[in-house]
Order: sequence, then structure tokens, then C-alpha cells
Amino acid sequence: QKEVEQNSGPLSVPEGAIASLNCTYSDRGSQSFFWYRQYSGKSPELIMSIYSNGDKEDGRFTAQLNKASQYVSLLIRDSQPSDSATYLCAVNEAGYGGSQGNLIFGKGTKLSVKP
Amino acid sequence: NAGVTQTPKFQVLKTGQSMTLQCAQDMNHNSMYWYRQDPGMGLRLIYYSASEGTTDKGEVPNGYNVSRLNKREFSLRLESAAPSQTSVYFCASRAQRDRITDTQYFGPGTRLTVL
Repeated sequence: QKEVEQNSGPLSVPEGAIASLNCTYSDRGSQSFFWYRQYSGKSPELIMSIYSNGDKEDGRFTAQLNKASQYVSLLIRDSQPSDSATYLCAVNEAGYGGSQGNLIFGKGTKLSVKP
Repeated sequence: NAGVTQTPKFQVLKTGQSMTLQCAQDMNHNSMYWYRQDPGMGLRLIYYSASEGTTDKGEVPNGYNVSRLNKREFSLRLESAAPSQTSVYFCASRAQRDRITDTQYFGPGTRLTVL
């Protein structure tokens, strides 16, 4: 069973702090890694994607990937109350053909940024 | 460009009733997906269509059927609804079948309650 694990939280950080969200995955063949943000009652929206080991920065967001440890993380700098949401880690299903683009989602980490 | 659209937004059914959830995308994407999201369970794949003319089962297909009507539209049918199918249903689409870097884009969701 392919799995993506996340700490469910809630993770509470003060405004302006760094929020650190973590994710581990079981399928060594996975090659694409995504972070989605989901506000309550809304659909998931993509905020970061990463495919190579190391860090990828986009504004206040940094994604980190370590394939040897099967570990993905998301850092949010200068956290704002508007960042309060559930963050979903998603990993592509390794394999061939039509299922290769399928994503396996973690259950999400709920982040709360306190003013 | 509306992206991924879903109808209806809300639906209440009685046990045993049938209904079809509609999904359409205007991004010329090849692949389309149906997920359900339940509290504490994360997003789970019901069915997917890697390309027009093909459909395959995901993690939780029992009780559902799908139709890839054309490249734009992918419908999900509940033949005899059960209370266990109470959930939020999301449709998603993805550009290329074989490019693992392509992410999935989600529709706004359908909230279904089965009494």
C-alpha cells in the first residue's frame, strides 16, 4: 500500500514566524511532489511543486526534497493569518502508463497562524 | 477560461436514489480524476481517465461508475446511493498523460449527503 504521511496537527504558529510542514512517502519510485493548500470548504490549490533533491523557493514558500530519506517539507516564512489552512502533500504514483500521473495524497496538516 | 467546473454544488439524496455528478474542463487537458474527501481520510481516488476513451479504477471505486463523455467531460454516477457515500466529491484534470511534472487542477467540489 503506497502511503503519504503527514502530521495532522493542528500546527499553531504566531504571525511572522516560520511554519514547517513535513511529509514522508513510501514509494521510492515517486518522482513528483506537490504541496496543495486547502481552505475550509474550498478545493485544493497548488502552491509548490518539486522534482529534484534540494530546496525550491517561491516567495515566502520553500519546498525541500530528500529522496534518499523519502521526505518532503514545506516552509512558510513570515506566516500570515491568511496562511491558516490545511496543507496537503501529494506524491505521484510510480509506474507506467496512465496511472503515472495519479497522485497519492496525505491526510493534510492543519495550520493556524495566530495574529 | 473557467478551469474545472462541477455541478451540482450541493445535493441531498435518500438511500437507494441515483444521481450523476458532472465535471467539465476547458483547459484541453487529457487526464481527468474523481476524488472523494472525508474527514480524517484525506483525498481518495475513485476513478480516473488517463486519456479520452479510457477509464480506470482508483482506490475506492465500489458503488460508482464513470463516463468520459468526450475530452472535456467526465461524469461520476451513483447507481444506488448509500449513507457511506456522504462526502465531498472533487473532480480534477491534468494536462499530459505522460509528463509526470504536470499537476492536477481541482474543481470547486460537490457536497453530497445521503440520508
